[in-house]
Amino acid sequence: ILNVEQSPQSLHVQEGDSTNFTCSFPSSNFYALHWYRWETAKSPEALFVMTLNGDEKKKGRISATLNTKEGYSYLYIKGSQPEDSATYLCAFYNTDKLIFGTGTRLQVFP
Amino acid sequence: NAGVTQTPKFQVLKTGQSMTLQCAQDMNHNSMYWYRQDPGMGLRLIYYSASEGTTDKGEVPNGYNVSRLNKREFSLRLESAAPSQTSVYFCASSVLTGGADGYTFGSGTRLTVV
Repeated sequence: ILNVEQSPQSLHVQEGDSTNFTCSFPSSNFYALHWYRWETAKSPEALFVMTLNGDEKKKGRISATLNTKEGYSYLYIKGSQPEDSATYLCAFYNTDKLIFGTGTRLQVFP
Repeated sequence: NAGVTQTPKFQVLKTGQSMTLQCAQDMNHNSMYWYRQDPGMGLRLIYYSASEGTTDKGEVPNGYNVSRLNKREFSLRLESAAPSQTSVYFCASSVLTGGADGYTFGSGTRLTVV
C-alpha cells in the first residue's frame, strides 16, 4: 500500500504570517504530485500538478516545490489571510489513480 | 458548465436499506472515481473507472458496487447499508485516464446510516 503523509496535521497562524507544510510520498516510480485546496463544506479544488524534480509552481501567495529523489513536496503560503483557511491535500499519482494524504488543516486568525 | 454533479446531496438510511449514489460529468472526461471522506482519514478510494466499460476496486471497496453506465455517468450502490458507511462521498473525474492531470470533484453526498 502506497503511503502519502502530510505534516503537520493542523496549523493555526495569525493573519500576515507565512507558513509551510510538507507532503511525503514514495520516491520510486514517480509520475506526478498534486496539491488541492479544500474549504469546509465545499469540494477539493486543484492548486498544482507537479511532475519534474525541482519543479516550483506559484499561484498568487501560494507556491510549491518538489523533490522527487527524496520524496517530498513543500507548500508555502506567504502572508496568510483568513480566506486561506482550508485543508490542503496532496495526492500522489500512481499509474491509474491518485492516492491522497490526510491533509493539513490551516486556520488563519485575523 | 455543470462539471461533476452528484445526487442526492444528503441522505439518511436505515441499516440494511439499499441506495444508489449518482454521479454525472459533462466534460467528456475519461476516468471517474468514488471516494469517501471520514474524519482523520482523508479521502479513501472506493472504486474507480479508468475508462468507459472498466471498473476497478480501490482501497475500501467492501460493501459497495459501481456501474459505469456510459462515459458520463458512474454510480455507486450500497446494497445493504451499515452504520460504518456513514460518511461523505465524493465523485471525481479526470480528462486523462488515471488522473495525471488532476481531478474535478463533485460537491459531495453526506450519507448517514442509522
